[in-house]
Amino acid sequence: SQQGEEDPQALSIQEGENATMNCSYKTSINNLQWYRQNSGRGLVHLILIRSNEREKHSGRLRVTLDTSKKSSSLLITASRAADTASYFCATDAPGGFKTIFGAGTRLFVKA
Amino acid sequence: GAVVSQHPSWVICKSGTSVKIECRSLDFQATTMFWYRQFPKQSLMLMATSNEGSKATYEQGVEKDKFLINHASLTLSTLTVTSAHPEDSSFYICSAARLRYGTEAFFGQGTRLTVV
Repeated sequence: SQQGEEDPQALSIQEGENATMNCSYKTSINNLQWYRQNSGRGLVHLILIRSNEREKHSGRLRVTLDTSKKSSSLLITASRAADTASYFCATDAPGGFKTIFGAGTRLFVKA
Repeated sequence: GAVVSQHPSWVICKSGTSVKIECRSLDFQATTMFWYRQFPKQSLMLMATSNEGSKATYEQGVEKDKFLINHASLTLSTLTVTSAHPEDSSFYICSAARLRYGTEAFFGQGTRLTVV
């Protein structure tokens, strides 16, 4: 089963521009995580934001969480060609430890 | 962060044979491990949750007799794809959770299975 939707499904931008990806989920959560996956490879954990947090930063990444809207956004600033990958949000529900993934956004950064 | 090792990273097998994939937590004890399947250009779909010393819990639609999961120790879980068919070709990823440290899960690098 999947938790929710990610928007957009695909995004193509120029190097240097900012990329914003959104994630919506259906149930209440303990935390939400963002992962990156290069084509055909494993997952790289980017950032975890807990349900009582609203915003978190890590380098060029900024994640927001709005639990009232059951949504999160990932902003990548000053994008680089190396940021080209698929980005997934994943949520953990209270009382359980299953990590459920969204559909993902495929980001393409043109040099 | 914690390290999860998955082996093999890729495997090609003949139709009808069985394939075993290992998932090891190298530097922590994982009470719970998860197995995911990913088709090309799609998201990760949870197949089953594996708890050490007990039977795995399978998600709806996943055949437990086809995908055998064993979690015999706190550092090792295995997924065996039995009587593999070409439609089982996929990317399989495991993750391991340390319950004392919250629900953050650590992922293996995945196994690409091709059944010919």
